[in-house]
Amino acid sequence: KQEVTQIPAALSVPEGENLVLNCSFTDSAIYNLQWFRQDPGKGLTSLLLIQSSQREQTSGRLNASLDKSSGRSTLYIAASQPGDSATYLCAVRPGETSGSRLTFGEGTQLTVNP
Amino acid sequence: KAGVTQTPRYLIKTRGQQVTLSCSPISGHRSVSWYQQTPGQGLQFLFEYFSETQRNKGNFPGRFSGRQFSNSRSEMNVSTLELGDSALYLCASSLGQGSIGELFFGEGSRLTVL
Repeated sequence: KQEVTQIPAALSVPEGENLVLNCSFTDSAIYNLQWFRQDPGKGLTSLLLIQSSQREQTSGRLNASLDKSSGRSTLYIAASQPGDSATYLCAVRPGETSGSRLTFGEGTQLTVNP
Repeated sequence: KAGVTQTPRYLIKTRGQQVTLSCSPISGHRSVSWYQQTPGQGLQFLFEYFSETQRNKGNFPGRFSGRQFSNSRSEMNVSTLELGDSALYLCASSLGQGSIGELFFGEGSRLTVL
């Protein structure tokens, strides 16, 4: 059974700092991995999707990497801003035939202090 | 382009009642999936519908059911509500078969069972 773990569970940093969020998964046979952010009481916003054949994806100040063999992904946030404060979730999709059945981690709650 | 729309956003029910939640996917998306989010269990997959057929089902009791209409809109129903059903119910849409599988989530329906 696939298990996804995110470390740390919570992180507080001053504005402007570069930071890394970690995601690990137990079964390396994944189809893709997706990073989301969730603001309190809101739905999930897709940040980046990495296919199993890719090593990294970038969008603005965000960069996500994937190392399938070691079962790890990292989300790098450059020059953090107070608006980045949210919970960040990673989710893996086991296989192409698994459809939209994602396995989520518990999330990292990020606070960026002005 | 409109995102995923969920209604109602908030609702309060009492134990034993039943509830129906609605989800309209992004235009052109044929796959709709449902997730339950609670503080204790995190995000858990309920089921997925593609072209009006249930394609995947999570480990939830039969009280949880869903359906999809020909316009890809989906509903989920929970009968005989229990206190533990209090949660944020999230709907996600994706293009479906043959796509890269990126999921887009709605704002959720927050259900409180008293």
